[in-house]
Amino acid sequence: EVQLVESGGGSVQPGESLRLSCFASGFTFDTHWMSWLRQAPGKGLEWVANIKLDGSVQYYVDSVRGRFTISRDNAKNSVSLEMNSLRVEDTAIYYCAREAQSSSWPDFWGQGTLVTVSS
Amino acid sequence: DIQMTQSPSSLSASVGDRVTITCRASHDIHTYLAWFQHKPGKAPQSLIFAASSLQRDVPSRFSGSGSGTDFTLTISGLQPEDFATYYCQQYERYPLTFGGGTRVEIK
Repeated sequence: EVQLVESGGGSVQPGESLRLSCFASGFTFDTHWMSWLRQAPGKGLEWVANIKLDGSVQYYVDSVRGRFTISRDNAKNSVSLEMNSLRVEDTAIYYCAREAQSSSWPDFWGQGTLVTVSS
Repeated sequence: DIQMTQSPSSLSASVGDRVTITCRASHDIHTYLAWFQHKPGKAPQSLIFAASSLQRDVPSRFSGSGSGTDFTLTISGLQPEDFATYYCQQYERYPLTFGGGTRVEIK
């Protein structure tokens, strides 16, 4: 059974940092790109970043590029999102997702972890 | 960026109804389109990929169609567990983008 379990969410002030982690099981981790997506309160889904099989390539949405860093550890079946210089508008539920093989759509999502940025 | 426009933003329907949701892309995305179902407090679930391919274990009452810029998600025979918000997503190019969502409510 595929499982993705996120952790690391919490409440921080603007300008602070947070690191999210996602631990995967039930599939061969290094054969799938991995993504982070989010949903702000009362808003729709937004793709944030993704990372290639071996971690050598990453893509970001413009609003987080330069502030967020996605990484993965294939030995630990985990993917992380380092979030720096957090803004109020980064407040959201953050979802870890597995991408379908040879494609960029998320075929399996975790339950999400809440990040709140407020002064 | 490719803009994805869904309509309607919400609809009310009864169990057994046929429901159609549309998604329009601002550029040609061929068939690089996926549909998702999202219920409050739950993980989003993938329904359709490549515009019309049913994801494993998704009931056959869900179907997708379209190519280029215009796409449709149809639920044939709405069931109680189908009341949720539905999103389309293009994956033709970065940044990957979603439609604004369609909330399907009980009439």
